[in-house]
Amino acid sequence: DQQVKQNSPSLSVQEGRISILNCDYTNSMFDYFLWYKKYPAEGPTFLISISSIKDKNEDGRFTVFLNKSAKHLSLHIVPSQPGDSAVYFCAASGSGTSYGKLTFGQGTILTVHP
Amino acid sequence: ETGVTQSPTHLIKTRGQQVTLRCSSQSGHNTVSWYQQALGQGPQFIFQYYREEENGRGNFPPRFSGLQFPNYSSELNVNALELDDSALYLCATSKRGSYNEQFFGPGTRLTVL
Repeated sequence: DQQVKQNSPSLSVQEGRISILNCDYTNSMFDYFLWYKKYPAEGPTFLISISSIKDKNEDGRFTVFLNKSAKHLSLHIVPSQPGDSAVYFCAASGSGTSYGKLTFGQGTILTVHP
Repeated sequence: ETGVTQSPTHLIKTRGQQVTLRCSSQSGHNTVSWYQQALGQGPQFIFQYYREEENGRGNFPPRFSGLQFPNYSSELNVNALELDDSALYLCATSKRGSYNEQFFGPGTRLTVL
């Protein structure tokens, strides 16, 4: 039962263009969503998050959009840089006893070409 | 500020053996979570510890157990290893009240033969 899904295993974009990574979830109890970036031989690094009471959160080049009715979130990276090449995971968490127990998607490999 | 560290980096065991993985918490973090990442998959939540007690568990059998120590470091123990236990094991630490923003260590790569 995959509660968080990233349906695109990989994405390739040109430097300077926009990267859009997508994530879908099925559990309506999720109320906090995060994106992590992972380089080889390193642990995931927190990138940006969004609470279910918002539909957009921005931090520099990174913006996360949440569409609760569609149970969909996306990460936009503008402009994309070669150093952004990594595996991106979306993750979700519920409230109460589920708070802080992250459920991850399978990841999307982003490659940004110079 | 010291980040999250894990030991060992790599480990090879045979089926049926037991293994202990270790995690040192980032300074100021009192909560530790463990995740299993199989090849090509996202991390899967195993359990979380706070104040030396288990504070939630994912869908893993009892042969996966843990400990948290007074200095907030932690161990993950796996008994009766199976081939499917081969994975990257990640620990993540966080501050109380910020459980969602977890800081991950580099992981321990376990191979079961």
